Amino acid sequence: AQKITQTQPGMFVQEKEAVTLDCTYDTSDQSYGLFWYKQPSSGEMIFLIYQGSYDEQNATEGRYSLNFQKARKSANLVISASQLGDSAMYFCAMRPPNSGYALNFGKGTSLLVTP
Amino acid sequence: DSGVTQTPKHLITATGQRVTLRCSPRSGDLSVYWYQQSLDQGLQFLIHYYNGEERAKGNILERFSAQQFPDLHSELNLSSLELGDSALYFCASSVDFGTGGNNEQFFGPGTRLTVL
Repeated sequence: AQKITQTQPGMFVQEKEAVTLDCTYDTSDQSYGLFWYKQPSSGEMIFLIYQGSYDEQNATEGRYSLNFQKARKSANLVISASQLGDSAMYFCAMRPPNSGYALNFGKGTSLLVTP
Repeated sequence: DSGVTQTPKHLITATGQRVTLRCSPRSGDLSVYWYQQSLDQGLQFLIHYYNGEERAKGNILERFSAQQFPDLHSELNLSSLELGDSALYFCASSVDFGTGGNNEQFFGPGTRLTVL
């Protein structure tokens, strides 16, 4: 089974600074999708950004960008200009083609933004 | 608001009981996925339905079952409940399925199940 690794269980960042959350994945598939979700303390899962394995450009969505390095099998999330409301758990997920297209999640990184 | 609704929000029950969790996907979405989030197992895929048909099973126990109805809402049935079934159960929906970006999954708010 494909494995998603998030090596940082917890991260701190000061407000207005940028932060990078790491994600590496293991797959032999050529076609797959990579996602980042945010889970605040209220519990809901909020979709942030998507990167397709064949996309040549790194995905960006507002303050979120995905640093996709296919050869290294990494898909790091960069949050620019952190805000207090960014404090949450962040999950990296991969959607391979051979599991009903379900998402395979990493363990998550807890991000705390300090004033 | 993702447009995916789940009821109930919280559910407290006893071991050995049976419960039903309900999910209504976003308007137009044909795919429904169920996930379980627990402290020890993390987020795990349970089952996927597309337009009423089961597409794939993940780590779903035999005590659990699901279905998707003609109006596309889905129900997850959990029976003979054990303490370890306590978790947050999410439903997610997408337009279709596949690896493409237009098939991102939008999650409902979840149902928090507590088994006492």
